[in-house]
This record gives sequence, structure tokens and C-alpha cells, in this order.
Amino acid sequence: QVQLVQSGAEVKKPGASVKVSCKASGYTFTSYGISWVRQAPGQGLEWMGWISTNNGNTNYAQKLQGRVTMTTDTSTSTAYMELRSLRSDDTAVYYCARGLFGANWGQGTLVTVSS
Amino acid sequence: EIVLTQSPGTLSLSPGERATLSCRASQSVSSSYLAWYQQKPGQAPRLLIYGASNRATGIPDRFSGSGSGTDFTLTISRLEPEDFAVFYCQQYGSSPRTFGQGTKVEIK
Repeated sequence: QVQLVQSGAEVKKPGASVKVSCKASGYTFTSYGISWVRQAPGQGLEWMGWISTNNGNTNYAQKLQGRVTMTTDTSTSTAYMELRSLRSDDTAVYYCARGLFGANWGQGTLVTVSS
Repeated sequence: EIVLTQSPGTLSLSPGERATLSCRASQSVSSSYLAWYQQKPGQAPRLLIYGASNRATGIPDRFSGSGSGTDFTLTISRLEPEDFAVFYCQQYGSSPRTFGQGTKVEIK
């Protein structure tokens, strides 16, 4: 069955960077892109961007441009999302999802930004 | 950017009742690229509907989606106890692929 398994929770100081991984299994990794979505505590879902697992093309949310980088490693069927210059309002659960719309989701990674 | 507005914010219903959730877009959603998700506390969202009206794998047929253009609806024909949750719509036809703010379906 399709599974997306994300890396564990992180605590970061303001100004630091975080890199979240998302390991896929149960399907052909390069057949579907990976979307990244985050959810601040008690808030709704926010689309962060999407990466093609075929050619590495990316499409980022305007508000995160310049701070976010999405990459993939097809040899290990793993996608990565790096967010830099972290601020307190980046505190959220970060999800990866299969495809342009989220056919399957990872379990989420809590990133806490606090001094 | 396409803004999705969901209504109502909260829906208070009893098990067995029918739920009708609305998602209105600020401009036309291309090719009806509209999805619906269910999210329970502490869990990742679960895909219910894609392409406005196609049920995802394993989703019971009491869930149905309809609509096109700027107006979309998720209907739950008879609420089961496990259906109470927050529901989100998302358009994926144009970037950024925005979400609605969510509708909470709670037990009356």
C-alpha cells in the first residue's frame, strides 16, 4: 500500500533552517509529484509548493519564495523540504502528500520555532 | 490567486442527518480540479473527492461531490458517528493551489 513516512519532530531557533524528509513506498515514485502543505496550531491548511519527481521542476507559494527549497532523491524515493530563516510563525505541522492533490499524506512533522 | 470560501463555518447535525457543505471560488476552477478532504484531530487530512465529483479509493458512497466553475458542494447523505470532523476544499487547477478555510461538522 502507498505510504509516505516523514522525519521526526524538530525544535529550531529563529533564523535557523529545517529540512523535513518524506520517504515514499508502495508506488512508482517518479509517477507522481509531491506536494507540501503546512498547518499552524489550530489553523487551516496552507499549500507550500509542489515538486515534480520526474524532472525536479518546482512551484512554490509566493510568500515562501526565497526561503523554501524542495528536492527529491529518486534513488531512495525520498522528497525533502527545506525552510530557511525560520520565524515563530513557521511553527506548524508540515505534511507531504502524493500528487497535485493529496491522494495520500504523510503523518506530519511538527516543527517548533522558539528561542 | 483563487480564494476559496467555505460555508458554513460550523455545521451542527445529528447522526443520520444529511450534511451539505459549500465551497465557492473567487474565479472559475479550471477543469473542475477541486478536491475535498476530511481531517480529524491529530490526524493528517484524508482525500475524499477529486475532480469535483470522483470518490477516492475506499471512500463510502454516502460522500458525494458536485459542482463546476465557481460553486462546489460536498454532500454526506447520512452522517455516521465517524464522519464528524473538519472538511477542506482545495483547487489544484492553478497555482497557488489554495485551500478553503474549512467547515467543522459537529455533533448536535
